[in-house]
Amino acid sequence: ILNVEQSPQSLHVQEGDSTNFTCSFPSSNFYALHWYRWETAKSPEALFVMTLNGDEKKKGRISATLNTKEGYSYLYIKGSQPEDSATYLCAFIIGTNAGKSTFGDGTTLTVKP
Amino acid sequence: NAGVTQTPKFRILKIGQSMTLQCTQDMNHNYMYWYRQDPGMGLKLIYYSVGAGITDKGEVPNGYNVSRSTTEDFPLRLELAAPSQTSVYFCASSTRTGNNEQFFGPGTRLTVL
Repeated sequence: ILNVEQSPQSLHVQEGDSTNFTCSFPSSNFYALHWYRWETAKSPEALFVMTLNGDEKKKGRISATLNTKEGYSYLYIKGSQPEDSATYLCAFIIGTNAGKSTFGDGTTLTVKP
Repeated sequence: NAGVTQTPKFRILKIGQSMTLQCTQDMNHNYMYWYRQDPGMGLKLIYYSVGAGITDKGEVPNGYNVSRSTTEDFPLRLELAAPSQTSVYFCASSTRTGNNEQFFGPGTRLTVL
């Protein structure tokens, strides 16, 4: 069983605050790291697919970085808005069996207006 | 495109009953996945398939069976339902694992009493 950990488990911020969360994963046999956004009563939707050490991806106010050598990825949200409230999941894809995705338990973000 | 569809949306089973959760995708994706999501937890991979006729176990396969006779369909079978199988089940698909995002269905909420 692969260990994929996300921290913090939950986060409450005020509208306009910037925030970041961490996804830690095994540093060996890396193939890819996915970030998903999961709103209540909906299905997870992909934010980023990251494959190379040093990757930086950006979508609007959300960005992510990847360090495969030390086994972590950061997700940043700049100027949080209430509509950013969701659970953010990361998924580690192992290189020895790319069919297997191991998800972390997620970070639940609540943005107060 | 309808994307990934799942039926039923909700179901209550008695202990020992069996049922099949249906999953269909119309995106011609080769890879398909079944996950379960327990309260406060992330997604746990039950089974996955890399193409018609090919399936493999994920992290939590016990108590479930799958088949993949066509590219479009990936049903999940529960035999002898147990309370521990009370969960929300998500089906997902992707064009190619690892480097490509997964698209999720709306989920099936199953309660075993």
